[in-house]
Amino acid sequence: QSVLTQPPSASGTPGQGVTISCSGSSLNIGSNYVYWYQKVPGTAPKLLIYRSDQRPSGVPDRFSGSKSGTSASLAISGLRSEDEADYYCAVWDDSLSGAVFGGGTQLTVL
Amino acid sequence: QVRLVESGGGVVQPGRSLTLSCKVSGFTFDDYGVHWVRLAPGKGLEWVALISYDGTDKYYAGSVKGRFTVSRDRFGNTAYLQMNSLRPEDTALYYCAKGDGSGSGYGMDVWGQGTTVTVSS
Repeated sequence: QSVLTQPPSASGTPGQGVTISCSGSSLNIGSNYVYWYQKVPGTAPKLLIYRSDQRPSGVPDRFSGSKSGTSASLAISGLRSEDEADYYCAVWDDSLSGAVFGGGTQLTVL
Repeated sequence: QVRLVESGGGVVQPGRSLTLSCKVSGFTFDDYGVHWVRLAPGKGLEWVALISYDGTDKYYAGSVKGRFTVSRDRFGNTAYLQMNSLRPEDTALYYCAKGDGSGSGYGMDVWGQGTTVTVSS
């Protein structure tokens, strides 16, 4: 059972938008930056969002991150077939003195 | 460009040791922490360890504390993960990743391609 809670699955049709949530506590999300990663089988994880709401260069602006209190969200607009992947949130946990990942959300583009 | 290349994976018997290397290039190694993260078959990403920019601070997941040790060589631009007393549940693809900052509180930004560790008799 992960310290961070993500829905195990999400889905949408091409062109639609989808939001993936990540729920934590005051000792992790509530006090530290949240990171979001895209993981496609056979490839290394790719950073989508850093420091809760910042997008690295090269990541489409269809991807956006937000944080409020002890929860964070990754929003994907204009879904494309290539967005089909696993998505993970990650954050530093002050009580564990270590980073933690959410359990991951498998996104299906129908 | 920023690049991290892991090596040292392989098949090892339970109870034995293995050391992974992470050779970096394209950024000032001395300014950033280095994380180790693993992906076990059928599981999600699991954070393993972090070494701070200057090597003075080291952090470990509870599942590996006391068995794994992180270190870094500033002259060789290389980070290491020494794994002792390996268990079958340590079987995974191990990634090293550049920290988004100098140490704790920051996540990973650029990742290597990973090296596979299989613990089996």
